[in-house]
Amino acid sequence: DTAVSQTPKYLVTQMGNDKSIKCEQNLGHDTMYWYKQDSKKFLKIMFSYNNKELIINETVPNRFSPKSPDKAHLNLHINSLELGDSAVYFCASSPRDRGLRNTEAFFGQGTRLTVV
Amino acid sequence: AQTVTQSQPEMSVQEAETVTLSCTYDTSESDYYLFWYKQPPSRQMILVIRQEAYKQQNATENRFSVNFQKAAKSFSLKISDSQLGDAAMYFCAYRGPNYGGSQGNLIFGKGTKLSVKP
Repeated sequence: DTAVSQTPKYLVTQMGNDKSIKCEQNLGHDTMYWYKQDSKKFLKIMFSYNNKELIINETVPNRFSPKSPDKAHLNLHINSLELGDSAVYFCASSPRDRGLRNTEAFFGQGTRLTVV
Repeated sequence: AQTVTQSQPEMSVQEAETVTLSCTYDTSESDYYLFWYKQPPSRQMILVIRQEAYKQQNATENRFSVNFQKAAKSFSLKISDSQLGDAAMYFCAYRGPNYGGSQGNLIFGKGTKLSVKP
């Protein structure tokens, strides 16, 4: 009955490879996100999807691309991986309040990506 | 742009004692949410407490409570009767309205690492 689940939990890969991280939420939320947590534990938004439409795209290299086959899934695909991409990546989703504002984010367990 | 500042990189508390973690934020909005998240070594992000800006009453969740000072843009977290399981990174976060450049981004502070001594 996991609310937000992402796979894999750990991913070790070589530079230059292409990899994907999958995310699914069973909470019925309209908005899903990808966050990156760096080695200093700083969390930063990467992407946000609302009803399958990209609404936020921060200064993220275009090697990163979110893919949403439906409202419950938001996968992250990364091309040509670099050493600096090593981090923990979190998927999250948010409900809306009566005023249709996004409220708190529910997070997946994170994927630790190590590029060697 | 909105910012969230946690000025205490590390804090320590004795088991059963009380500790307060500080957070300040900067925004020109009047309607927003504030949150405290806990991240234990398992790295799971766990929501501890949330506060809606238009509510004057401070939020409380069991041993966790906040001191929300809207005019001062301050949002501190008080943990009472600290337990060993409270040891974790604590992140303060701000979410603005769903419009404008931020589109309701959840913006995090840099975190405070809390240690609990037995």
